[in-house]
Amino acid sequence: KQEVTQIPAALSVPEGENLVLNCSFTDSAIYNLQWFRQDPGKGLTSLLLIQSSQREQTSGRLNASLDKSSGRSTLYIAASQPGDSATYLCAVNHIGDTGGFKTIFGAGTRLFVKA
Amino acid sequence: DGGITQSPKYLFRKEGQNVTLSCEQNLNHDAMYWYRQDPGQGLRLIYYSQIVNDFQKGDIAEGYSVSREKKESFPLTVTSAQKNPTAFYLCASSMTTGVTDTQYFGPGTRLTVL
Repeated sequence: KQEVTQIPAALSVPEGENLVLNCSFTDSAIYNLQWFRQDPGKGLTSLLLIQSSQREQTSGRLNASLDKSSGRSTLYIAASQPGDSATYLCAVNHIGDTGGFKTIFGAGTRLFVKA
Repeated sequence: DGGITQSPKYLFRKEGQNVTLSCEQNLNHDAMYWYRQDPGQGLRLIYYSQIVNDFQKGDIAEGYSVSREKKESFPLTVTSAQKNPTAFYLCASSMTTGVTDTQYFGPGTRLTVL
């Protein structure tokens, strides 16, 4: 059964710091992995999607890497800003037990960037 | 202005009542989803629909029902059979249920049982 874990559950950093959020998954047979941002009481916004054949994706100050064989992904945020404060979730897409395509989400890392 | 809307933003329900959460999208997406989010847990899939007049149970469908009479709309009913309905409910849509299609999420509805 595919499980997705995100560590740490919460993180507080001073403004300007570079930081790494971690995501691990138990079954390496995934099609892709996606990172989302969620502001308090709001829906999810897609940040980056990495296909299983890719090693990384970049968007602005964000860089996501994928090591499928070891079941790990990281989201690197450069020069963090208070506006980056949010919960970051990762999700993997794979074939579920019944043969259908499934998305499994981690519980998220709550990030607080102090001004 | 394209996107997904959910209403209401907050909903309070007495025990034993059924309530319906609305989800509408104008993205012309075929697939729509309902997720439940609880503190400290990842999103869990309740129901999904690949096309109009079709829907499938997700991982936690017990106590919930849906309909998909129109492409734009996918309402979720939380019935009295759902033992612990207090949660944050998120609706999403994607072009299809294909593995490469990104899901776009609505703003969510917070349901509280009094």
